[in-house]
Amino acid sequence: ETGVTQSPTHLIKTRGQQVTLRCSSQSGHNTVSWYQQALGQGPQFIFQYYREEENGRGNFPPRFSGLQFPNYSSELNVNALELDDSALYLCASSLGLAGPPLDTEAFFGQGTRLTVV
Amino acid sequence: GEDVEQSLFLSVREGDSSVINCTYTDSSSTYLYWYKQEPGAGLQLLTYIFSNMDMKQDQRLTVLLNKKDKHLSLRIADTQTGDSAIYFCAESDNSGGGADGLTFGKGTHLIIQP
Repeated sequence: ETGVTQSPTHLIKTRGQQVTLRCSSQSGHNTVSWYQQALGQGPQFIFQYYREEENGRGNFPPRFSGLQFPNYSSELNVNALELDDSALYLCASSLGLAGPPLDTEAFFGQGTRLTVV
Repeated sequence: GEDVEQSLFLSVREGDSSVINCTYTDSSSTYLYWYKQEPGAGLQLLTYIFSNMDMKQDQRLTVLLNKKDKHLSLRIADTQTGDSAIYFCAESDNSGGGADGLTFGKGTHLIIQP
C-alpha cells in the first residue's frame, strides 16, 4: 500500500469523448506527477504539479491537462480522446519539488486502465 | 532526446542470481532508479543510485553503475518466485527539481523457473 489511490480502476470511452481521471495523494505530499503507460511500454511523463501549479510537462499535447487541489487530490483530463490514448495512467506523489530521492521516493498509485474504442 | 534501453525478458532459475541490464543516453543523468511492477499494481521504487557512485547494495539487491559506458545493472541475489515482475530502469537529471519527470525504459520481464 502506497497511500496513493486512483479512480476509477478501469474505464472505457469512445473516441472523441473527454475523460477525467482522479488521484488522491498521501497527505502532505505537495507534488503529483502523471504518467501514461501504453501496453508493453515504460511509463511516459505527462506533467507534474507542485502546490496547484503545473511546473513541468512532457511531450504531450494540450488536450492533456490537469488540476491539483489543496486537499492533495488531483485530476488528469484528456479531451478529444484518440485510440492511441488507450493506456494505464499512473499518478505519483512525493513530498516536495525535488522528486526522489532528494525528499522522499515518489509513491505510485495502482493506475487507471483507460480503453478508447 | 533521452533514451533508456533494456532487454525485454530475463529467465532465471529459482535460487540463482538475476542480473538486469540497462543503458541510457542522457549524460546529464544524475539519479538512476530501479522500479518493480507486479501485475495490476503501480510502480514500487526498489533502489536508486547517484551518478557519482559506482555501486550500491541493499540486502539482496546490488546496483552497479558504469557512468563512462552509461550502463546500469540490477543484481538480485537468491531469486525467489516473488521476484517475478517487470523491472524498470529510470533516470532523471533533477536539475529542474524533478519537473522533467522520470524517463523509463520499456521494462524487463523477469521470469522465474522452478
